[in-house]
Amino acid sequence: EVQLVQSGAEVKEPGQSLKISCKGSGYSFTSYWIAWVRQMPEKGLEWMGIIYPGDSDTRYSPSFQGQVTISADKSISTAYLQWSSLKASDTAMYYCARLDGIVKPSIDYWGQGALVTVSS
Amino acid sequence: DIQMTQSPSSLSASVGDGVTISCRASQGIGNYLAWFQQKPGQAPKSLIYAASSLRSGVPSRFSGSASGTDFTLTITSLQPEDFATYYCQQYNTYVPTFGQGTKVEIK
Repeated sequence: EVQLVQSGAEVKEPGQSLKISCKGSGYSFTSYWIAWVRQMPEKGLEWMGIIYPGDSDTRYSPSFQGQVTISADKSISTAYLQWSSLKASDTAMYYCARLDGIVKPSIDYWGQGALVTVSS
Repeated sequence: DIQMTQSPSSLSASVGDGVTISCRASQGIGNYLAWFQQKPGQAPKSLIYAASSLRSGVPSRFSGSASGTDFTLTITSLQPEDFATYYCQQYNTYVPTFGQGTKVEIK
């Protein structure tokens, strides 16, 4: 069974750093892209970027380029999303998701989400 | 970016009703269109990819269709568990984009 299990909720202050995780299991982690998707409170879904754990090829949405860092450790089947200096506007639910397909892959499985709250 | 416009933003329906949700792309995306369902407090769930292909385990009362840049999600005979928000997403471009969502509420 394919599973993406994300790290737990975080409460941080502005300016602090944070790294959240997404652990894949039940499939070959290195063979599928992982995407990160943001959902701000009571809002819709926003594409942040993707990573291919097999070779760490990473692609960011221009809206998030330079704001976050996406990485992966294939030895432990885990992808990461990190911030070096959080802002209150980073408060949101963050989902990881697996992409299925070769030419233009689409999301098939989602993680359960990680709530990040940034407040002083 | 390609804009995805869903309509309606919300609708009320009864158990057993059929409903249709529309999604229009601002430019051609082929059939690279997915539909997701999200219930309150839950992660999204993948329903359809390639405009009309059902994901494994998704009930057959869900179907998708395409006509040019217009896409449709149809739910025949709504069930209590179908009340949720539905999102379309184009994945034809480097930066996939989502529609704003359609909330299906109980009448």
